[in-house]
Amino acid sequence: ETGVTQTPRHLVMGMTNKKSLKCEQHLGHNAMYWYKQSAKKPLELMFVYSLEERVENNSVPSRFSPECPNSSHLFLHLHTLQPEDSALYLCASSQIMTRQGAKAFFGQGTRLTVV
Amino acid sequence: GIQVEQSPPDLILQEGANSTLRCNFSDSVNNLQWFHQNPWGQLINLFYIPSGTKQNGRLSATTVATERYSLLYISSSQTTDSGVYFCAVEGNDMRFGAGTRLTVKP
Repeated sequence: ETGVTQTPRHLVMGMTNKKSLKCEQHLGHNAMYWYKQSAKKPLELMFVYSLEERVENNSVPSRFSPECPNSSHLFLHLHTLQPEDSALYLCASSQIMTRQGAKAFFGQGTRLTVV
Repeated sequence: GIQVEQSPPDLILQEGANSTLRCNFSDSVNNLQWFHQNPWGQLINLFYIPSGTKQNGRLSATTVATERYSLLYISSSQTTDSGVYFCAVEGNDMRFGAGTRLTVKP
């Protein structure tokens, strides 16, 4: 148990569906991240929230929409996805980014399949 | 952005063997972490090691920040060590290498 919980663990959705991924952390951290891991590709950073404000959006398509209502919760809203969006989506949290860096803790991921 | 390269991409070991995994990065970083992704996809922190050497049981890691590389040593490998090992560096954001897929055979 890393202190970061993601739900659901597995999700199968059609291209016209709307679904949301949820991440919750109980570590008192104030930065949260969404990552995407596709098969045979490095992990990709999608979104960063620091103090509930979006810090980075690495050119992610608008069919992915993040939401961070408070420092403990992070959502990724999905709509009109494509089959190539099938991947493992990982959430992480850390203390606010500083010059000294921060140790990140990851959830177990949501395995998403778009059909 | 910072480039992170891990080698080897794949490694197959017999149980009990030792191994060294390498992570090279292209620019100065604030920190470096090693993760183990188990077969179920969960990422577990192994080391937070921006510089120096740390040991935890059969695992140890060394980062030489001035030469922009880090090494992860696994001694007396066990089948439960199988999975993918990721190196991640933090500059302006966190960047991951492509990982080393380790298979330990009984």
